[in-house]
Amino acid sequence: KNEVEQSPQNLTAQEGEFITINCSYSVGISALHWLQQHPGGGIVSLFMLSSGKKKHGRLIATINIQEKHSSLHITASHPRDSAVYICAVRRTGNQFYFGTGTSLTVIP
Amino acid sequence: ETGVTQTPRHLVMGMTNKKSLKCEQHLGHNAMYWYKQSAKKPLELMFVYSLEERVENNSVPSRFSPECPNSSHLFLHLHTLQPEDSALYLCASSQDRNYGYTFGSGTRLTVV
Repeated sequence: KNEVEQSPQNLTAQEGEFITINCSYSVGISALHWLQQHPGGGIVSLFMLSSGKKKHGRLIATINIQEKHSSLHITASHPRDSAVYICAVRRTGNQFYFGTGTSLTVIP
Repeated sequence: ETGVTQTPRHLVMGMTNKKSLKCEQHLGHNAMYWYKQSAKKPLELMFVYSLEERVENNSVPSRFSPECPNSSHLFLHLHTLQPEDSALYLCASSQDRNYGYTFGSGTRLTVV
């Protein structure tokens, strides 16, 4: 069993829809990261969270440390948001565990 | 361009070849990483170089050999690979444990 579980694995949405991607983890962490991977492989770090909530443009990330759960929300989704979104948790030092990713397709 | 540059972007090699992947960062970070991404699997940490100390995933075969000559450069030397080693190899860097990662664009490796 993977230490980091994401849901859903695949998601198709109409342009403009509100999107939520969930991440649950089973280990103690010092921080949680949301990453975005575009076709072709390039990965961009979206957020790093250790508590509460962060917002950047149309993206919002929340984390509940007690429940070991994080969500990534996309408001007013757009086709350019189509990508794989990966949840990663950092343990002590530089050790990371990654989820398998959520593949998002936003249809015009 | 994210600040972490990987070359080559694509590599096709035979099982008897020897090749190297290169990663370079000019962000002043003090830790660099090699990750392997296979289809339908989570990213797998292969090696970490942090403040010149090397940490490795014990499940990584010896046909993968990392080299970190300084804090800005990281290599992954490949020899006698197997077809199942075909994957996207990603380099990343970070500054200490309290900061996020910066990833390179990856090298798409195909072993034939």
